[in-house]
Amino acid sequence: DTEVTQTPKHLVMGMTNKKSLKCEQHMGHRAMYWYKQKAKKPPELMFVYSYEKLSINESVPSRFSPECPNSSLLNLHLHALQPEDSALYLCASSQEETDPYGYTFGSGTRLTVV
Amino acid sequence: GEDVEQSLFLSVREGDSSVINCTYTDSSSTYLYWYKQEPGAGLQLLTYIFSNMDMKQDQRLTVLLNKKDKHLSLRIAHTQTGDSAIYFCAGEDSSYKLIFGSGTRLLVRP
Repeated sequence: DTEVTQTPKHLVMGMTNKKSLKCEQHMGHRAMYWYKQKAKKPPELMFVYSYEKLSINESVPSRFSPECPNSSLLNLHLHALQPEDSALYLCASSQEETDPYGYTFGSGTRLTVV
Repeated sequence: GEDVEQSLFLSVREGDSSVINCTYTDSSSTYLYWYKQEPGAGLQLLTYIFSNMDMKQDQRLTVLLNKKDKHLSLRIAHTQTGDSAIYFCAGEDSSYKLIFGSGTRLLVRP
């Protein structure tokens, strides 16, 4: 299995809702990442987990809460989001945080906040 | 920190070669990468080059690296309509985080 699987593919949520994005990989990768991508822009790093511990938080607002329950799963919990948080949220993984051979990306969750 | 720049748009005819260019500021990247993103999809790693190499060829893809000018290019030979996508170059910062360029939208005309 050489894929990163993200669910759901699309999500519409209100500003008072709580929802979660899920990411799963079974490649034995020990680093996992959340990126946010706005239309016509490059991906922006949000969080990095290495060996199930939060390694990097790129000053992301607390309405985004990551969780890594085990080495294969990565969640992003969403609460009280704003319309400007609407974007494509991409999960990625790599062998290690310093893996030189690039990341494997999932196909993303397209989030719309209404 | 690392800053990576790309031209925004390239249009080529099917069968021609495409050359996508990228410049970067931080020469500490050990590796430099090219990713492809099709509409509505995630990013796919196309190829990467080690920083002490000048060129890498992988089937229809040729990567050229000019470290002196901090210039990276991706050449796609015999461009096909399925190559239409956004192409991102990426380097690493000192924390090994990927820093992406702004992306080049490649349009292949029949």
